[in-house]
Amino acid sequence: DIRMTQSPASLSASLGETVNIECLASEDIYSDLAWYQQKPGKSPQLLIYNANSLQNGVPSRFSGSGSGTQYSLKINSLQSEDVATYFCQQYNNYPTFGAGTKLELK
Amino acid sequence: EVQLVESGGGLVQPGRSLKLSCAASGFTFSDYAMAWVRQAPKKGLEWVATIIYDGSSTYYRDSVKGRFTISRDNAKSTLYLQMDSLRSEDTATYYCARHDYPGITSGFDYWGQGVMVTVSS
Repeated sequence: DIRMTQSPASLSASLGETVNIECLASEDIYSDLAWYQQKPGKSPQLLIYNANSLQNGVPSRFSGSGSGTQYSLKINSLQSEDVATYFCQQYNNYPTFGAGTKLELK
Repeated sequence: EVQLVESGGGLVQPGRSLKLSCAASGFTFSDYAMAWVRQAPKKGLEWVATIIYDGSSTYYRDSVKGRFTISRDNAKSTLYLQMDSLRSEDTATYYCARHDYPGITSGFDYWGQGVMVTVSS
């Protein structure tokens, strides 16, 4: 199985700040990577696919980048509604997820 | 509007069986691969199984292989997960999710609300 190592595990940031979350794959996943947002008590929602493509309806302050084994999710100008847990997921092989990053407001 | 509605969860004793269903609407069900993804309480997401668009191929994580069976009825736009020989470590919220592609090599663009399965004596 491809292991996805996500960091940090938790993050505290202020409104308007820029946030970065990283994901490291145990082997090259050729940009077959998605990012999800999960708010407490809710189902995950797709934010980014193919490492850098924004899902329809997702605010443009979210962006993804990376290649090979290293990927990142960037949130510009943090809003209160962005408080959530974020997961990366690779789909180059059987799907595997990162452990998640819990984002809170400072 | 795409909707995925799971049902069939509950409390079950170890070693017993349970069958989950996911009723899909708002899209052509037979065009997409479908999956079950679970989340143990306060834990991360874990892919369980996938079935491709026409049901001809299925894929499972190792820990459920031989115990769980994913299936679909395209005429009824319904996905199923038959869970046998349940263990305490299968306790989780189970989500039905749509792959954004006919096959397994894609992300999940729509998710159901989830159904809780508790395995305990």
